[in-house]
Amino acid sequence: QVQLVQSGAEVKKPGASVKVSCKASGFTFTGYFIHWVQQAPGQGLEWMGWINPNSGATNYAQNFQGRVTMTRDTSISTAYMELSTLRSDDTAIYYCARRSSGSYSFDYWGQGTLVTVSS
Amino acid sequence: QSALTQPASVSGSPGQSITISCTGTSSDVGSYNLVSWYQQHPGKAPKLMIYEVSKWPSGVSNRFSGSKSGNTASLTISGLQAEDEADYYCCSYAGSSTNYVFGTGTKVTVL
Repeated sequence: QVQLVQSGAEVKKPGASVKVSCKASGFTFTGYFIHWVQQAPGQGLEWMGWINPNSGATNYAQNFQGRVTMTRDTSISTAYMELSTLRSDDTAIYYCARRSSGSYSFDYWGQGTLVTVSS
Repeated sequence: QSALTQPASVSGSPGQSITISCTGTSSDVGSYNLVSWYQQHPGKAPKLMIYEVSKWPSGVSNRFSGSKSGNTASLTISGLQAEDEADYYCCSYAGSSTNYVFGTGTKVTVL
């Protein structure tokens, strides 16, 4: 079955960076775009960007441009999202999600990774 | 790009129908039939309920239905059940520059 399994919770200090992983299984990793979505505590969802695991091409939301880097390792079917220069308002749950084939929607999601930014 | 506008909360009694609106602009909802809806229970990841305005993913109840008129999309839940109590988010594709925009989210309460 399709699964996206994310890395565990992180606590970081302001100014640091965090790298979250998303391991895919049950489907051809290089056949589907992987997207990342941020959800601050008690808040809504915000789209951060995508990576094409086949080519490595990326596209980032304007709000995260310059601070986010999405990469992948096809040998282990894993996507990564690194966020740098962390601020307190980056405290959030970060989800990876698979874009459905032929559809502009997200059909499978990871369980989420809580990143806490605190001094 | 601003978030799509949804009502903060909607409530209904078991068996009733409720509708959640999702208002965007001519640059997102109005331009593309690419609106999707997600259900999120507390502490859980979002779940796809509707895609491309009105299509059901495999395994999703047909009590959930979607529609769109102009810049506003809607999700209707028929025969409301206790398990439908959750947060709901719409999402629209908004072109190759902006890509995707989510709604502000709606908390559905089953009375």
